[in-house]
Amino acid sequence: AQSVTQPDIHITVSEGASLELRCNYSYGATPYLFWYVQSPGQGLQLLLKYFSGDTLVQGIKGFEAEFKRSQSSFNLRKPSVHWSDAAEYFCAVGPNTDKLIFGTGTRLQVFP
Amino acid sequence: NAGVTQTPKFQVLKTGQSMTLQCAQDMNHNSMYWYRQDPGMGLRLIYYSASEGTTDKGEVPNGYNVSRLNKREFSLRLESAAPSQTSVYFCASSYQSRTSGFNEQFFGPGTRLTVL
Repeated sequence: AQSVTQPDIHITVSEGASLELRCNYSYGATPYLFWYVQSPGQGLQLLLKYFSGDTLVQGIKGFEAEFKRSQSSFNLRKPSVHWSDAAEYFCAVGPNTDKLIFGTGTRLQVFP
Repeated sequence: NAGVTQTPKFQVLKTGQSMTLQCAQDMNHNSMYWYRQDPGMGLRLIYYSASEGTTDKGEVPNGYNVSRLNKREFSLRLESAAPSQTSVYFCASSYQSRTSGFNEQFFGPGTRLTVL
């Protein structure tokens, strides 16, 4: 069955430090991969997406993610975290009969 | 463009009461979705509608009904609310077609529902 795993429930980093959020997926075909961010009390906003082509994709707010087929991973990275990046991050994979499968999320806390 | 709008933003119900959550999108999307979000569970799909006039069950449909009123609007109804339905509910929409491929979903701001 298709699934998405985000192994880190909660990550804490200092402002200015680098960040990597992990995402592993299980999917039979070529996946469409997404990262969404949810600020407290808000809906989900798309950060970036991968459909095909270059395996390193750039997104909004200085985020990037790399698709590694051999590792079934799509990790999210940012070279220098800002306090405003504190939020919950969701990885998702599709299409599963036109639906997305979401991971359980990683909550990012940023210390000044 | 307002994107995806949801009403109400907050609601408190007593067990057994009914209510309808409203969702509308102005992006001419054909697909619409209802999710619930619970701590540690991520987003779970309740129902979705691939096009006007069609609806299908998602992962957790029990206790809910939906109506795709027209292309813009997709409502979620709780006929007899239970405390287990306390959650944050998100509506989303996307444009799906064979020619354009699989596209991202756009989310509304959510409805926080408490059932006492």
